[in-house]
Amino acid sequence: DQQVKQNSPSLSVQEGRISILNCDYTNSMFDYFLWYKKYPAEGPTFLISISSIKDKNEDGRFTVFLNKSAKHLSLHIVPSQPGDSAVYFCAAGNTGANSKLTFGKGITLSVRP
Amino acid sequence: DVKVTQSSRYLVKRTGEKVFLECVQDMDHENMFWYRQDPGLGLRLIYFSYDVKMKEKGDIPEGYSVSREKKERFSLILESASTNQTSMYLCASSLQGARGYGYTFGSGTRLTVV
Repeated sequence: DQQVKQNSPSLSVQEGRISILNCDYTNSMFDYFLWYKKYPAEGPTFLISISSIKDKNEDGRFTVFLNKSAKHLSLHIVPSQPGDSAVYFCAAGNTGANSKLTFGKGITLSVRP
Repeated sequence: DVKVTQSSRYLVKRTGEKVFLECVQDMDHENMFWYRQDPGLGLRLIYFSYDVKMKEKGDIPEGYSVSREKKERFSLILESASTNQTSMYLCASSLQGARGYGYTFGSGTRLTVV
């Protein structure tokens, strides 16, 4: 049973345009959500997070939106840059579950120059 | 610079071999995790540990075991390697009570079982 779903395996956008990466979850016990970015041959690195008490969190070019009623979150990257090309993982956690994260399958973003 | 170090970047092992994947962190983190990454399957949790000598099964523990004799070291053991264990293995650590942004990942070990 997949609790965190990233249904699109890949996304290609033009440099300078907006990238929107989507994520759905099924477990209503999740109370914080994160996006990780991974380049080939490297470990994932933390990008941005959001608590379930918020509906938006912004950090520079990156914004995460959370819709709890729909159990849906999205990552917006504006403007997209070629260096953003990577695999993006959505992850979710429960504060009571001692830091254990559940990850989605990931989405490969390609930003075309 | 804080680090999670995985002992090997690439490994090739034969079917049936016992394989040890080592992970060391220098951040005094209590929590340590082993994930595997496969195309189309994302990151799947194999085992994790909240303290020395403590371990808990993740989502896919079958065929694996772990050892945590010291706080800084978390070893993943493939008792008898099989070809379906060919994968990228990622170790991570975090502080007790830290939320997911506290995860620090190693660079990964690409294991091929032939």
